[in-house]
Amino acid sequence: GEDVEQSLFLSVREGDSSVINCTYTDSSSTYLYWYKQEPGAGLQLLTYIFSNMDMKQDQRLTVLLNKKDKHLSLRIADTQTGDSAIYFCAEGEDKLSFGAGTTVTVRA
Amino acid sequence: DTAVSQTPKYLVTQMGNDKSIKCEQNLGHDTMYWYKQDSKKFLKIMFSYNNKELIINETVPNRFSPKSPDKAHLNLHINSLELGDSAVYFCASSSRTARNYGYTFGSGTRLTVV
Repeated sequence: GEDVEQSLFLSVREGDSSVINCTYTDSSSTYLYWYKQEPGAGLQLLTYIFSNMDMKQDQRLTVLLNKKDKHLSLRIADTQTGDSAIYFCAEGEDKLSFGAGTTVTVRA
Repeated sequence: DTAVSQTPKYLVTQMGNDKSIKCEQNLGHDTMYWYKQDSKKFLKIMFSYNNKELIINETVPNRFSPKSPDKAHLNLHINSLELGDSAVYFCASSSRTARNYGYTFGSGTRLTVV
């Protein structure tokens, strides 16, 4: 979406950490989201963060939010081959606007 | 027990035909959506219904007409199909009172117009 920007590709070695970055424009969003799309599948909600939080950790996933800079990031620790997918950042209230998606490729 | 189910999963049709895609959710959500994902994976909202009422209607050609017979169903009818309509169409649902759960998406309908 034109309101949400992400880098398009990320290649990471198995076992390393992945960091996917996103910038957004709508500061009124109550929640910001990360979705994962595997080939041929729909989007799966990975995690979300409330807009008044700086950080949220959920097992291998860490979300960082810099509200001043409108910057959101997703860190995946100990990246596995099953983490290969497209990751979408999303924001919005009545409708979600998605970034173009970051294709993460995990190499052995 | 699929939460959001779409049919068909694949649809190949000729230009000029009319086709429909159906969507059903069993999550008790009050809002449903249609998104279009193009070949570059870019997702764009087309329509949204809340309790059978159309609340979002983005700039979409009139050939696309959504219909929501009840809050668990949202169908998409497309008239006079064009080559540019080829895409993956995703249905999604959400609850307005539980935004922190985001949207639940169906697995998509891949439409190919030849």
